[in-house]
Amino acid sequence: DGGITQSPKYLFRKEGQNVTLSCEQNLNHDAMYWYRQDPGQGLRLIYYSQIVNDFQKGDIAEGYSVSREKKESFPLTVTSAQKNPTAFYLCASSTFPTQTGNEQFFGPGTRLTVL
Amino acid sequence: DQQVKQNSPSLSVQEGRISILNCDYTNSMFDYFLWYKKYPAEGPTFLISISSIKDKNEDGRFTVFLNKSAKHLSLHIVPSQPGDSAVYFCAAGITGANSKLTFGKGITLSVRP
Repeated sequence: DGGITQSPKYLFRKEGQNVTLSCEQNLNHDAMYWYRQDPGQGLRLIYYSQIVNDFQKGDIAEGYSVSREKKESFPLTVTSAQKNPTAFYLCASSTFPTQTGNEQFFGPGTRLTVL
Repeated sequence: DQQVKQNSPSLSVQEGRISILNCDYTNSMFDYFLWYKKYPAEGPTFLISISSIKDKNEDGRFTVFLNKSAKHLSLHIVPSQPGDSAVYFCAAGITGANSKLTFGKGITLSVRP
């Protein structure tokens, strides 16, 4: 049963603390992505990785960090430098290189609330 | 600069009627387009895609139309069902360049019973 898992579903942290969101896929996809969704903002790309041990900044990378040590895993750390971390975070994966119709598959998301 | 635009934030239609969701793009390098459906507190699910070499792609009740000269695409849902009520995102990509997709802000579709 292939898919993408994100854990936990809900996460609460105090302001000033770093927090790491988990993303695992067993689809044998090369590429993985992190998005953030805010009301009325759609999906904004934070970081993406097209191959193990390599990743690129997306449109809103400030205050976030990632690693890609294994093909199956792409954890996202929300650091204390992120000014507005409360949001719904989505992980996705796809085959690479990109080709027409090559859709990204999304995980169920993690709702992070910083108190 | 928003390269994929979904200018109407919401749409309400009667069950059984047609839903037409619109999307505009500005980057002429985009050569494939996708539609995703999203329920609250869940990840988006892929619905349908279209390559720029086509002007129409159909899958069951869902049809996507592409007008390259106008840089416009639309998703038609016929007939609309209450279970179609969700947020719909339009996305665009460039073959081979990198694996990024650019998403619009989404349209909230409500299908009234």
